[in-house]
Amino acid sequence: DIQMTQSPSTLSASVGDRVTITCRASQGISTWLAWYQQKPGKAPKLLIYKTSSLESGVPSRFSGSGSGTEFTLTISSLQPDDFATYYCQQYNSYSTFGQGTKVEIK
Amino acid sequence: QVTLKESGPTLVKPTQTLTLTCAFSGFSLSTSGVRVGWIRQPPGKALEWLALIYGNDDKRYSPSLKTRLTITKDTSKNQVVLTMTNMDPVDTATYYCVHSKTGYWYFDLWGRGTVVTVSS
Repeated sequence: DIQMTQSPSTLSASVGDRVTITCRASQGISTWLAWYQQKPGKAPKLLIYKTSSLESGVPSRFSGSGSGTEFTLTISSLQPDDFATYYCQQYNSYSTFGQGTKVEIK
Repeated sequence: QVTLKESGPTLVKPTQTLTLTCAFSGFSLSTSGVRVGWIRQPPGKALEWLALIYGNDDKRYSPSLKTRLTITKDTSKNQVVLTMTNMDPVDTATYYCVHSKTGYWYFDLWGRGTVVTVSS
């Protein structure tokens, strides 16, 4: 199984901050990585697929980068609606998710 | 409009078999590249992919749960069914039905989820 490790587990930030979340794979996954946003009591929402492709309707302040084993999700200017938990997902070999990163208000 | 809706029991006893149904609309599982699958999330924990079914009836399962899972489809009813045998309290989770349209295993649409509790 490919393990996905996100850091940090929790991130405290303010509106307007630039936020970066890291996801590391236990083995190379090329660019087969997606990012999701989940709010309490709701289903996850796809933000980014294939490392850096923005899903339709997702604000351009979200961006992704990386390849191989290290990936990042960046929010260029944090908005009130962005406080949520973020998950990375590899789909190079079956599918596994990271443990999540909670972005909370500082 | 594409929608997915999960249904099934909210409470099952240990050792019982869980059967969940995903009723979908707005797309056909016969369309090239479309897959429907299941993902679960224990309370306060991370997401776990369980199973995926293709339009040609090809199926994929989580290696760690493969012996307990069966996924089937009824194209005429626009439904996908997941069964999980030998339920245990650790299987308590929200179970989501998910859709992929591109042939890749990321999921652009999710149902609202159904909460399943395993307890005697």
